Amino acid sequence: NAGVTQTPKFRILKIGQSMTLQCAQDMNHNYMYWYRQDPGMGLKLIYYSVGAGITDKGEVPNGYNVSRSTTEDFPLRLELAAPSQTSVYFCASSYAGTSGATGSYEQYFGPGTRLTVT
Amino acid sequence: GENVEQHPSTLSVQEGDSAVIKCTYSDSASNYFPWYKQELGKGPQLIIDIRSNVGEKKDQRIAVTLNKTAKHFSLHITETQPEDSAVYFCAAYRSRRALTFGSGTRLQVQP
Repeated sequence: NAGVTQTPKFRILKIGQSMTLQCAQDMNHNYMYWYRQDPGMGLKLIYYSVGAGITDKGEVPNGYNVSRSTTEDFPLRLELAAPSQTSVYFCASSYAGTSGATGSYEQYFGPGTRLTVT
Repeated sequence: GENVEQHPSTLSVQEGDSAVIKCTYSDSASNYFPWYKQELGKGPQLIIDIRSNVGEKKDQRIAVTLNKTAKHFSLHITETQPEDSAVYFCAAYRSRRALTFGSGTRLQVQP
């Protein structure tokens, strides 16, 4: 399995441009997530999805949009890029269920996309 | 919503010493508490986790303890090695919601 893959690895955008960050997973996970990580900070949730056709806002959704048409893919769209969106973006996925009382909700992370908006 | 606080932000230890990182959470409904290790240029990777019905869990040199009453949990690394140097994140999880992460601890193990 490739796990969680993200493209591109790096991107530089000009203010006002738009782009889509791609994320795919081959583990048949029904939960998928987008986080952003600013320098020296923790990860903040942008959007998440509990299954195809279902998405919900996280902590910092403004300026972003998502869609989930298949179980495997969860693209993140940036419209009208702003310098405040300069960050590293991580996609993650997890299996919704757990194995008994001590089961894990482990999230598997992709390698990240480093985005700079100038 | 959930709020997770993590301390310290940086930690430097000598090789062979122990390291302890502490986190507190605010939402009493959170029931799963993972710890992630992030190496430079990579995504976070789960190293150990604990459910709310367990007080302590060990995996070789790593252990996690949970105090539900006080709403805090800790990561303990014994016999630290240079390859333990990384950023460590704690997190809290509620059912059908995503993880809320702490702000991270940069651990430096001096050889």
